Amino acid sequence: AQSVTQPDIHITVSEGASLELRCNYSYGATPYLFWYVQSPGQGLQLLLKYFSGDTLVQGIKGFEAEFKRSQSSFNLRKPSVHWSDAAEYFCAVGARDSSYKLIFGSGTRLLVRP
Amino acid sequence: GAVVSQHPSRVICKSGTSVKIECRSLDFQATTMFWYRQFPKQSLMLMATSNEGSKATYEQGVEKDKFLINHASLTLSTLTVTSAHPEDSSFYICSARDFARGGPETQYFGPGTRLLVL
Repeated sequence: AQSVTQPDIHITVSEGASLELRCNYSYGATPYLFWYVQSPGQGLQLLLKYFSGDTLVQGIKGFEAEFKRSQSSFNLRKPSVHWSDAAEYFCAVGARDSSYKLIFGSGTRLLVRP
Repeated sequence: GAVVSQHPSRVICKSGTSVKIECRSLDFQATTMFWYRQFPKQSLMLMATSNEGSKATYEQGVEKDKFLINHASLTLSTLTVTSAHPEDSSFYICSARDFARGGPETQYFGPGTRLLVL
């Protein structure tokens, strides 16, 4: 069965420190992979996506993610966190069929210490 | 950029009543819209896929008669929670897919509607 695992429920980092949010997936083939951020009162915003090609993808707000097929992982990274990055982050996989359904992980809440 | 709105943002209703939630794509035409449900501190669970002009496709375990979905135009989909009960209290999120703008694999999400059933 298709699934997405985000093993960290909460992560706290100091402002200016680096960040890595983990995501592992289970899928029959290489899925589409996404990272979204959810802030209160706002819809989910797409940070970045991987469809094919270069396994290191750059996104908005200074985020990047690396697809590692051997580890079934798609971890999100940022070299220097800003206080405004505090939010809920969701990893998702998308089916490569006509349904375009997304399966979301349980999310990781990022807290940023001043 | 692509904007999806939801109305209302919050709603409180009495048990047994019905509630309608609207999802609109403001600056693009959405051939497909999705409805999700999110419980506190949990992930988004897909409830149904709504295609303009046709019946919605519901995920396994979602009651079709309780969660009525209508996608009557390319910019509007509605979710009606019928005979709502306290266990229906949740955060409902819609998303819309615009093939022309973002590619078939990208969805644009609304801000969500928080439903509280007393």
